[in-house]
Amino acid sequence: DIQMTQSPSSLSASVGDRVTVTCRASQSITTYLNWYQQRPGKAPKLLIYAAFNLQSGVPSRFSGSGSGTDFTLTISNLQPEDFATYYCQQNKNSPYTFGQGTKLEIK
Amino acid sequence: QVQLVESGGGVVQPGRSLRLSCEASGFTLGAYGMHWVRQAPGKGLEWVAVIYYDGNKIYYADSVKGRFTISRDTSRNMLYLDMNSLRAEDTAVYYCAKDPGSGSYYRFEYWGQGTLVTVSS
Repeated sequence: DIQMTQSPSSLSASVGDRVTVTCRASQSITTYLNWYQQRPGKAPKLLIYAAFNLQSGVPSRFSGSGSGTDFTLTISNLQPEDFATYYCQQNKNSPYTFGQGTKLEIK
Repeated sequence: QVQLVESGGGVVQPGRSLRLSCEASGFTLGAYGMHWVRQAPGKGLEWVAVIYYDGNKIYYADSVKGRFTISRDTSRNMLYLDMNSLRAEDTAVYYCAKDPGSGSYYRFEYWGQGTLVTVSS
């Protein structure tokens, strides 16, 4: 199985900040990497697919980069609604595994 | 607009069965692959099963293979998950999710609100 490891596990930031979340795969997944946002008590929401493609309707302050084993999600100009948990997910090989999540909290 | 609404969750004893349903609207179920993804309380996400757009390809996570069955009724725009021989470790919120294509993308572009399954004696 491909293991997905996110860092950090939690992160404190302020409105207006720029933050970066990292996701590392245990083997190369080229660009088969997706990012999701989950607010408390809600379903996940697809933000970025295929490493750097913005899902329709997602604000442009979200961006993704990387390939192979190392990926990043960057959120610029943090807004109050961005404080949530973020998950990466590989869709290269079954089982289609997720990272453990990064909780973004208000400082 | 795409909408997915799950139902059927509840408390069930270990070893018993349960059927989850997902009502799809805003798109044609028979044109897209559909997945079930679950999340144990306070934990991360786990892909469970997929049914491809034509219903001919079905795959499961090893953790549920042989116990769970994914199916659909395209005439009613309904997706199902039949869960047998339930275990405590199956306790989770179960989400149905739409694939952006045939089922082979294995990314989840729309999600339902989830239904909680609790396996406990």
